[in-house]
Amino acid sequence: DTAVSQTPKYLVTQMGNDKSIKCEQNLGHDTMYWYKQDSKKFLKIMFSYNNKELIINETVPNRFSPKSPDKAHLNLHINSLELGDSAVYFCASSQLRTSGGSYEQYFGPGTRLTVT
Amino acid sequence: RKEVEQDPGPFNVPEGATVAFNCTYSNSASQSFFWYRQDCRKEPKLLMSVYSSGNEDGRFTAQLNRASQYISLLIRDSKLSDSATYLCAVNKGNTGKLIFGQGTTLQVKP
Repeated sequence: DTAVSQTPKYLVTQMGNDKSIKCEQNLGHDTMYWYKQDSKKFLKIMFSYNNKELIINETVPNRFSPKSPDKAHLNLHINSLELGDSAVYFCASSQLRTSGGSYEQYFGPGTRLTVT
Repeated sequence: RKEVEQDPGPFNVPEGATVAFNCTYSNSASQSFFWYRQDCRKEPKLLMSVYSSGNEDGRFTAQLNRASQYISLLIRDSKLSDSATYLCAVNKGNTGKLIFGQGTTLQVKP
């Protein structure tokens, strides 16, 4: 069984379109994350949800809207796609450490988004 | 100064060599540290957590130096299969936020 899964694996679309990426984890974790990895390989946090509550919301264009229907699922909807949105988007999950620090995060296989 | 910094390399080493990477962090309040491995066009995979006392897993040893604010990863007896990018990650705050370094690329040659 795949621990963290994402769909689709590849997404090629034109500028101006709206698209969604879905993520599911079966690890029983309570926290999920979206990361963006650009062409220079920098991996940056975008959003995080803990038990369906948004807890991390980095400086990301508001064209990006995450949604977590339950703690095992986290989706990312992107409106009005731009060329600069081309990147690999990774979902991750972990338990949330309430006493400070972080537990290990486990990543999905990534969604390679190409905007033309 | 970046919050988490790594030498991007590449580090080119022969099979059997010992190689070490460092990763510096700027936030002295950070409490959790990790090393991930990322193969080309794949997701980051957890290699090991880094504990205050240092920890070892087979050929891999991770250490934390709080005074100088860096973590290190030592790979002994390098294998061809160790060729990958090694990312360090450091927590920030209490929300599970991890800041990743840009990665260090290792190429192990026959």
